[in-house]
Amino acid sequence: IAGITQAPTSQILAAGRRMTLRCTQDMRHNAMYWYRQDLGLGLRLIHYSNTAGTTGKGEVPDGYSVSRANTDDFPLTLASAVPSQTSVYFCASSPGQASGYTFGSGTRLTVV
Amino acid sequence: SQQGEEDPQALSIQEGENATMNCSYKTSINNLQWYRQNSGRGLVHLILIRSNEREKHSGRLRVTLDTSKKSSSLLITASRAADTASYFCATDVNRDDKIIFGKGTRLHILP
Repeated sequence: IAGITQAPTSQILAAGRRMTLRCTQDMRHNAMYWYRQDLGLGLRLIHYSNTAGTTGKGEVPDGYSVSRANTDDFPLTLASAVPSQTSVYFCASSPGQASGYTFGSGTRLTVV
Repeated sequence: SQQGEEDPQALSIQEGENATMNCSYKTSINNLQWYRQNSGRGLVHLILIRSNEREKHSGRLRVTLDTSKKSSSLLITASRAADTASYFCATDVNRDDKIIFGKGTRLHILP
């Protein structure tokens, strides 16, 4: 592993199903983030974590939850998927304030 | 709501020419960052400029920041085909660790 690993790469999910997107980093970064990217809307922050054990809400948190049990992992859960959650999801991390983010390669999720 | 907004939305130039993209933002910031995204890939951090800096260089990239106008520009000199990508500016929110992205500029380098 080098950087950030996201899984799965892509997924087709039936509406109403529960889904967890996985994100793991090996850089010991304190902060981690989840963004969704939609055509014409750019990247929007869903949830973030400044350090292990803490999480916060971003711009578009509804329908999503996160946990940060340790430094390396930051899973994003959709409790009951809806078609409007069809998007590309990116996980990112940073060492702290005023530092560039490192992004994963993304998960393309289609909810049908 | 978006903090930063890039201009233009799309730009096509000939290989070898310079490309300039602009970013305007709404509230005071600690720093502003620029990222590149190749099609279907994750974002790559290019450069970070702090609010007390006016200009920063990295290879063929030059970033300027004008806090009085709440704007920044990214200049790519001597463009190459590999520079074809989307470019995003991002600003910190409420001066904390979170950053908010603009919608991006799609740059296409013509051979």
